[in-house]
Order: sequence, then C-alpha cells, then structure tokens
Amino acid sequence: AQKVTQAQTEISVVEKEDVTLDCVYETRDTTYYLFWYKQPPSGELVFLIRRNSFDEQNEISGRYSWNFQKSTSSFNFTITASQVVDSAVYFCALSEATGANNLFFGTGTRLTVIP
Amino acid sequence: EAQVTQNPRYLITVTGKKLTVTCSQNMNHEYMSWYRQDPGLGLRQIYYSMNVEVTDKGDVPEGYKVSRKEKRNFPLILESPSPNQTSLYFCASSLEGVAFYGYTFGSGTRLTVV
Repeated sequence: AQKVTQAQTEISVVEKEDVTLDCVYETRDTTYYLFWYKQPPSGELVFLIRRNSFDEQNEISGRYSWNFQKSTSSFNFTITASQVVDSAVYFCALSEATGANNLFFGTGTRLTVIP
Repeated sequence: EAQVTQNPRYLITVTGKKLTVTCSQNMNHEYMSWYRQDPGLGLRQIYYSMNVEVTDKGDVPEGYKVSRKEKRNFPLILESPSPNQTSLYFCASSLEGVAFYGYTFGSGTRLTVV
C-alpha cells in the first residue's frame, strides 16, 4: 500500500534561516512519481515540483531545492534564506504509475516564517 | 487563463439539504478529480473521472455523487449532506495520467454543514 508521511506538523523559523521539510514515502511500485505542493494562506494548491523514481538527481530552483533518496524513501524539500512569503502548508504527494488517477498526499507541514 | 474553476468558494448549509459544487476546466484535460482536505488527514480523493461518462470511486466516496457529461465539467453532488462532510473541497484536472502531469487544482470550496 502507498503512504506518504510528513512527520513535521508545524515548523517555525526566523526569516533568512534555512529550513528542510521532510517527506518519507512507501510504495510497492518500482515506477512512481513524487510531488510537492504549496498551500498559502489564501488556500489554493500550487504545484512546485514533480520527480520520477528513476531520476535521483537533486533539483534546485532558486531558493528551493529537493533531495530525493530512494535508499531511504525520502524526498525532502529545503528552502534557503526563508522569507515571510514562504509561510504556507506544504504537501508531499505520491502517484504510482499503475494507479495513474490518484495523488496520495501526506498530512502536510505548516511552515511559519517569522519576520 | 488556464484554470480550474470551482463554485461556490464558501457554502454553509443544513443537514439533509442537497447541494452541488460545480467544477469546470478550460484546458481540455482528460482526468478530473475531487478531493477533500481535513486537518491532520491531508487530501483524500473522493471520485475521479478519466473521460466523459467514465467515473470511479476514490478513497472516500461515501455520501457523494459525481457526473461527467461534458469534458470540461465535473460537479460534486451531496444528496443529503451531514456534518461530517464539513470540509475543504478541491476539484482538480490533469491532461492525461496524473503521474506524468500532476493535478491542477481549483481554488477550493469550504463547506460547512450544520
């Protein structure tokens, strides 16, 4: 069965600090896809990144970076030099190639960046 | 602008009064889906549709109905709402398989059933 665990329910950091949001997943499929979404206070869900199980390269996009490690079934998200606008709930999600209609979400991590 | 549009954004209703939340996408996407978001539970899929007239249950379908008569529209129907259906609902669409494209989400509908 598939499962996504975000053990950090809430994190608070001071502006300009770096912060890492953890995501651990479980799946029996060898082909799967991992996602991160951001939910700002306004409530919408914003796509951040998609990564397939065959691509273990880390990715960097501006202040955001993602560390995918199949050996530990983790797909962690780091924000460098955090800003107040980063305050949001962040969701990690998993999609299996065999069940291509569903995204299985973690419970989310609420990040608060304090000015 | 490419988007998924849900209406209404906010809804308060009474137990047992039938309601419909509308969802429309303008991207010609094949896949559409409904999720509910609850504190501590993340998002869970209610129903999905892979094309017109093709729908199936997700993880939490009890108490909900859907239809897909046109490609762009995917309404969520609560025939007899109950307080445990108080939640934040999201409609989503995807070009083809979600695994390849992920979902594009609507802005959400916050439903309160009293």
